[in-house]
Amino acid sequence: AQSVTQLGSHVSVSEGALVLLRCNYSSSVPPYLFWYVQYPNQGLQLLLKYTSAATLVKGINGFEAEFKKSETSFHLTKPSAHMSDAAEYFCAVSGITGGGSQGNLIFGKGTKLSVKP
Amino acid sequence: EAGVTQFPSHSVIEKGQTVTLRCDPISGHDNLYWYRRVMGKEIKFLLHFVKESKQDESGMPNNRFLAERTGGTYSTLKVQPAELEDSGVYFCASSQVETPGRETQYFGPGTRLLVL
Repeated sequence: AQSVTQLGSHVSVSEGALVLLRCNYSSSVPPYLFWYVQYPNQGLQLLLKYTSAATLVKGINGFEAEFKKSETSFHLTKPSAHMSDAAEYFCAVSGITGGGSQGNLIFGKGTKLSVKP
Repeated sequence: EAGVTQFPSHSVIEKGQTVTLRCDPISGHDNLYWYRRVMGKEIKFLLHFVKESKQDESGMPNNRFLAERTGGTYSTLKVQPAELEDSGVYFCASSQVETPGRETQYFGPGTRLLVL
């Protein structure tokens, strides 16, 4: 069984500060891990994904995440927050199903990021 | 290239009525997924089509929900009769069939359903 835990339903940072959004996963198979972002009144947009290549994954808009197997974590970071980063962020996991396909995504509850001027 | 589109964007219905949600995937994407987010909860998987076939419908909550994908293009999700607990945001996602690890699901903007 797979699951995702996102610590902190709300995170607030000042503009220019480090953004750190936490995600821990549980998976009985090698996981594929994803971060999606949802801006107000929009759909989910893929930020980045880990698929067993490099453990440090770079995504769009200056975000990156590091896969740490020993800690079962995939935390999302950005060195300097911008006002436009205010959104809800979702961590998700998937894995190979019995049918050999990647299958559906299992999401965390989401973290709302606020950026203060 | 057009993204995943969903219609309607919002729907307000009364308990007991029927609602049909539509999803148009990205052209050429054989995988089509439906997800739902109930307020305050996580986004949860409902079902997965590969072309017109249901690959996995383990997330469908009950038999009041019926999904179809005739011809392997657009999909509909019908709720009949709707109950209060069906309120939430319904997302559709599509992807190309790839080797595991290479698939990326592209999401639509969602349909916000409110059952009164």
